[in-house]
Amino acid sequence: DQQVKQNSPSLSVQEGRISILNCDYTNSMFDYFLWYKKYPAEGPTFLISISSIKDKNEDGRFTVFLNKSAKHLSLHIVPSQPGDSAVYFCAASAAGTACKLTFGTGTRLQVTL
Amino acid sequence: DTEVTQTPKHLVMGMTNKKSLKCEQHMGHRAMYWYKQKAKKPPELMFVYSYEKLSINESVPSRFSPECPNSSLLNLHLHALQPEDSALYLCASSQGMTGRGNQPQHFGDGTRLSIL
Repeated sequence: DQQVKQNSPSLSVQEGRISILNCDYTNSMFDYFLWYKKYPAEGPTFLISISSIKDKNEDGRFTVFLNKSAKHLSLHIVPSQPGDSAVYFCAASAAGTACKLTFGTGTRLQVTL
Repeated sequence: DTEVTQTPKHLVMGMTNKKSLKCEQHMGHRAMYWYKQKAKKPPELMFVYSYEKLSINESVPSRFSPECPNSSLLNLHLHALQPEDSALYLCASSQGMTGRGNQPQHFGDGTRLSIL
């Protein structure tokens, strides 16, 4: 039972363009959402998070949007850079479970020149 | 550079061996976590320590034994592992419990474990 889904296993974007990574969830108890980036042979690196009381959070080139009614969140990267090429995981946690992060299956982003 | 340090980076062991994975953080975080990640799969939570006490065990087999000697260190003792336990083992820490305010977990680079 995959409670957090990233339906696009891969995405290719040209340098300078916008990258949009999508994530859907099924558990309505999730109230905190995070995006992580992972390079090969490294652990996940925290990028940005959003709590369910907000619908948008921005940090530099990264913006996360949350649509609670659709149980959907997205990560926008603009402008995309070659160094952004990595696997991106979304993750979610629910109040009451305190700290259990449920991860999506990841989307491999390739930013081309 | 990650602020969560895991050693060793790679470990190959037989099914009868006893070994330990180590994790260290000096960010003053009070929650620490062990995750297991198989190839092409997302990380899966194994254990959570909060204020040096085990608060969550995700029904992990007893051949994995966590230990938190102090607030900066987290160990994972391994004994009599099976070939299917081969995976990347990730340690993470957070200021407190994720889910209570914006307190993301920060990960180490992992230990890649191979069981012969």
